[in-house]
Amino acid sequence: SAVISQKPSRDICQRGTSLTIQCQVDSQVTMMFWYRQQPGQSLTLIATANQGSEATYESGFVIDKFPISRPNLTFSTLTVSNMSPEDSSIYLCSVPGPGAYEQYFGPGTRLTVT
Amino acid sequence: AQSVTQPDIHITVSEGASLELRCNYSYGATPYLFWYVQSPGQGLQLLLKYFSGDTLVQGIKGFEAEFKRSQSSFNLRKPSVHWSDAAEYFCAVGPPGGGFKTIFGAGTRLFVKA
Repeated sequence: SAVISQKPSRDICQRGTSLTIQCQVDSQVTMMFWYRQQPGQSLTLIATANQGSEATYESGFVIDKFPISRPNLTFSTLTVSNMSPEDSSIYLCSVPGPGAYEQYFGPGTRLTVT
Repeated sequence: AQSVTQPDIHITVSEGASLELRCNYSYGATPYLFWYVQSPGQGLQLLLKYFSGDTLVQGIKGFEAEFKRSQSSFNLRKPSVHWSDAAEYFCAVGPPGGGFKTIFGAGTRLFVKA
């Protein structure tokens, strides 16, 4: 199974600032996914990041707010820009698993915006 | 609209007792179905999945789930719960025929008492 690490594991940030979250996978993958898990709520897909192309964003998420980089097949970053308290969430990255559309998830980044 | 409902926000069971976590979905056709577990500070781990065939699916850690088309349900069960099973459990659906547009339920937090 793929091993995924995320940095930072948690952070407390002031409103109006930006935070970049890193996701590193121990094997090469074509697709990487970024999710948001708001307090007490389910996971919501933010975007799909393919190496060598622009990320594909889901409805309700825009590149200006959540720019994503995918410089190679093992790494991606998600930036949360101009943060507000509503951005306080756990952000997770994931990659496809070996089976039928299952996923491996990273441990998540817990973000608190004050 | 496509959705996943986990009616129980949290459940408490005694160690050694049986467990059933409920999941209902709304989808135009039979989707791919998943159960994931999230332990504190960790990413989601796949417990089991269903996309065709036998409607009773065996997973890791002694879990099983049964797909019932007539009830649009995919309930997770375990005959004897261990203290280490305390975690959050997510039911999820993926589009029929495959794809990564996974929709997650809100999760059920399991507490295990000695």
